[in-house]
Amino acid sequence: DSGVTQTPKHLITATGQRVTLRCSPRSGDLSVYWYQQSLDQGLQFLIQYYNGEERAKGNILERFSAQQFPDLHSELNLSSLELGDSALYFCASSVATSVWGDHSYNEQFFGPGTRLTVL
Amino acid sequence: KNEVEQSPQNLTAQEGEFITINCSYSVGISALHWLQQHPGGGIVSLFMLSSGKKKHGRLIATINIQEKHSSLHITASHPRDSAVYICAVLNYGGATNKLIFGTGTLLAVQP
Repeated sequence: DSGVTQTPKHLITATGQRVTLRCSPRSGDLSVYWYQQSLDQGLQFLIQYYNGEERAKGNILERFSAQQFPDLHSELNLSSLELGDSALYFCASSVATSVWGDHSYNEQFFGPGTRLTVL
Repeated sequence: KNEVEQSPQNLTAQEGEFITINCSYSVGISALHWLQQHPGGGIVSLFMLSSGKKKHGRLIATINIQEKHSSLHITASHPRDSAVYICAVLNYGGATNKLIFGTGTLLAVQP
């Protein structure tokens, strides 16, 4: 158990709908990362938040958005869902994030994932 | 060309065999993760390393920063090692590090 929790475990919905995925980081972790794992694209970084602020963006569609709340939990909102959005969505957390120019790192711990099926 | 390449893509081994999975990358990194993903989908971090070698039980991970290459070795493999092994590099840039993933190596260890 990594200490990162995600809800729900499974989500089945229809095209055009909107869903919200939730992630609670490990106690003390300030950074939350969202990843998408689809059959054709593999694992891809979507977005990172650090202490409530967006820190980095990856291959995140405009239909998707995320936020991190004062209690540090994060939500990933997926709207106007398409069949191709069916995937496993993981969040990960780490203690902090790197400072500009500092090549230090913080290990990321992954949640169990949310399996989204769009019909 | 993918920024992180793994080989082989698929690997079948007999129980007890020594297994090597390779990872090559083309971007600047601050560290490299080896992750394990079981059929249920959960991802577990096996190692994070930025130089040299790390060992945990029957698993050994090495990295050569100059050659931009890492290997994951499993000694005395067991059917419970069957999983997808994913190499992910921590690509430094700006004010954060981002993980870039390889496509994974599907390992099946047969009894």
